[in-house]
Amino acid sequence: NAGVTQTPKFQVLKTGQSMTLQCAQDMNHEYMSWYRQDPGMGLRLIHYSVGAGITDQGEVPNGYNVSRSTTEDFPLRLLSAAPSQTSVYFCASSYSNRDINTGELFFGEGSRLTVL
Amino acid sequence: GQNIDQPTEMTATEGAIVQINCTYQTSGFNGLFWYQQHAGEAPTFLSYNVLDGLEEKGRFSSFLSRSKGYSYLLLKELQMKDSASYLCAVSDSNYQLIWGAGTKLIIKP
Repeated sequence: NAGVTQTPKFQVLKTGQSMTLQCAQDMNHEYMSWYRQDPGMGLRLIHYSVGAGITDQGEVPNGYNVSRSTTEDFPLRLLSAAPSQTSVYFCASSYSNRDINTGELFFGEGSRLTVL
Repeated sequence: GQNIDQPTEMTATEGAIVQINCTYQTSGFNGLFWYQQHAGEAPTFLSYNVLDGLEEKGRFSSFLSRSKGYSYLLLKELQMKDSASYLCAVSDSNYQLIWGAGTKLIIKP
């Protein structure tokens, strides 16, 4: 059972380059999300999706795009990378973010991005 | 604004008990979560509280007081493998998680 799979695990970009972080889950989860984690700060929500074809902005959406064409996949696109986007990115999913009886988020292993 | 506060770092001895506190101010409340995150790894779910009181799960327990905006995670019989960061998160009125910065727990032999 793969769970949540993120690629790549590590990436170095130059300022202005674009790239896509891939995220796939095989648990038929409705809810998928992207977070960034920076030292001394809590996880911050970038974008999220409550189902195929539905996406919404989180706390820090600027500079990022997402799409959800299938239940399984939720890629995160960096349009024009900036040094401020150097961070660790986590994709996470759950059956439903309204399912407060479980509410458990399943995280991918993380992607470490450095922008020079 | 919304805010989650927890201590930055704590140190405890192997075999002892440690309590990690979390206070929160959020717009609405739909539950409080604790996650464990080992260095360089992803967070993993530990516990969930939506009603006041204590939830026990093996060596770990989590307590919630909604009137005080307060929770704690209690770890008993500490083991070296418990060295990790512990993240407190609150589900707000929109069912989105607001995260604390995490408490780094250092276990000494």
